[in-house]
Amino acid sequence: DTGVSQDPRHKITKRGQNVTFRCDPISEHNRLYWYRQTLGQGPEFLTYFQNEAQLEKSRLLSDRFSAERPKGSFSTLEIQRTEQGDSAMYLCASSATLSLRNEQFFGPGTRLTVL
Amino acid sequence: GNSVTQMEGPVTLSEEAFLTINCTYTATGYPSLFWYVQYPGEGLQLLLKATKADDKGSNKGFEATYRKETTSFHLEKGSVQVSDSAVYFCALSEGAQKLVFGQGTRLTINP
Repeated sequence: DTGVSQDPRHKITKRGQNVTFRCDPISEHNRLYWYRQTLGQGPEFLTYFQNEAQLEKSRLLSDRFSAERPKGSFSTLEIQRTEQGDSAMYLCASSATLSLRNEQFFGPGTRLTVL
Repeated sequence: GNSVTQMEGPVTLSEEAFLTINCTYTATGYPSLFWYVQYPGEGLQLLLKATKADDKGSNKGFEATYRKETTSFHLEKGSVQVSDSAVYFCALSEGAQKLVFGQGTRLTINP
C-alpha cells in the first residue's frame, strides 16, 4: 500500500497524559500537513512541513502541541498534558512539490479520546 | 481570511434523484477548489478538483464548475446511488498552502 499511513488508528488516554501520533506520507511527497477534525465539522489546519522545515502553524496549535519531521520523511505530532477538548480525529495529508494544484492525499486518521 | 461555506445538511434523496450541494468561497487570490468525500468508516478522498475559472472537475458522475463571478463550486450529480451516501466537503487552497474546508454535508440516499 503506497498511501498515507497513520499510527495508531485509535488512542484512548486519560486527561493530563502525553500522546504521540505518527504519519508516514506517500514516499515521493515532500509536503506534509496535519489537520484536526471534530465531530460534525470539516478538518481544520494545524501545521505544514516542506521536507523537514515546519513552514506554518495554526493558532489552534497551542504550546502543548508539537510536530516534527526530522528527516523529511515521517512526521510525529505530540500532545502534552492532554485535555478533554483535544478529543478529535487527527488527520495527516501529503502532497508533492510539483503538484501546483496542491492535491493532498489523506491518511485514515488517528482518533483520540481523552477521558 | 479564506473561507468556504457549504449548504447545511443533512441531505436525504431517493436513488436516481438529481443532487446539488452548494459551495461558495471567499479568497484573496485565485484558489484551487476541491470536493472531498468521506465514506462511512473511511478517510477523506479527493473526489474532484478545478484550478482556474470556468474549469469543470468531474469524477464518478459528479461534476463541479469553478465560477469566479459567483465565487461558487457547486457539486452536482444527475442520478445518485445508495453507494453515494457519505459526507462531502468543499475546500480551497492557494498555492502550496493549507486546505480550508467547509463544514461538510452529509448525504443519505435511500433505495
